[in-house]
Amino acid sequence: DIQMTQSPSTLSASVGDRVIITCRASQSINSWLAWYQQKPGEAPKLLIYQASSLETGVPSRFSGIGSGTEFTLTISSLQPDDFATYYCQQYNIYSPWTFGQGTKVEIK
Amino acid sequence: QVQLQESGPGLVKPSETLSLTCSVSGGSISDYQWSWIRQPPGKGLEWIGYVYYTGSTSYNPSLKSRVTISVDTSKTQFSLSLRSVTASDTAVYYCARVGMANGLDVWGQGTTVTVSS
Repeated sequence: DIQMTQSPSTLSASVGDRVIITCRASQSINSWLAWYQQKPGEAPKLLIYQASSLETGVPSRFSGIGSGTEFTLTISSLQPDDFATYYCQQYNIYSPWTFGQGTKVEIK
Repeated sequence: QVQLQESGPGLVKPSETLSLTCSVSGGSISDYQWSWIRQPPGKGLEWIGYVYYTGSTSYNPSLKSRVTISVDTSKTQFSLSLRSVTASDTAVYYCARVGMANGLDVWGQGTTVTVSS
């Protein structure tokens, strides 16, 4: 199976900060990667698919980049609504799908 | 817009079968894959598997021996069956649509299933 490792596990930041979350795959997944945001008690919400495509309705302060085994999610200017847990997920068609362990973005 | 709603028992006894249904409304069940994901209390997300509207499936190898996901296009719903459950299967279970670019783009609200005698 392809293992997905996110870093950091927890991130403390302030409103207006630039936030970067990294996701590494144990083998190449091309660009078959998505990012999700989850708030307590809610279902995850798709932010980015195919590593860098912004889902409809998602603010442009969210962006994704990467291919192969290294990926990043960037929030250009953290807003109060962005404090949440973020997950990456690989969906390589030749392997079972897997999620990263999550990155919790907390208020500093 | 497409909406998903999970339904099923909230409590299942150990060694029995967990059965959940996801009802799809506001859109077609055809041309998409439909997935189940779970989240144990305080933990991360685990992909369980998906079913294509044709009935073809793919499962998480760690659960494959106990899982069946099926689709009923006439009822616009798909289902999860997880056999021989233990306490470690206690989780919030989500159903989701696999979007055309393969991200999970529509999610149900989730349903909590507790395995306990």
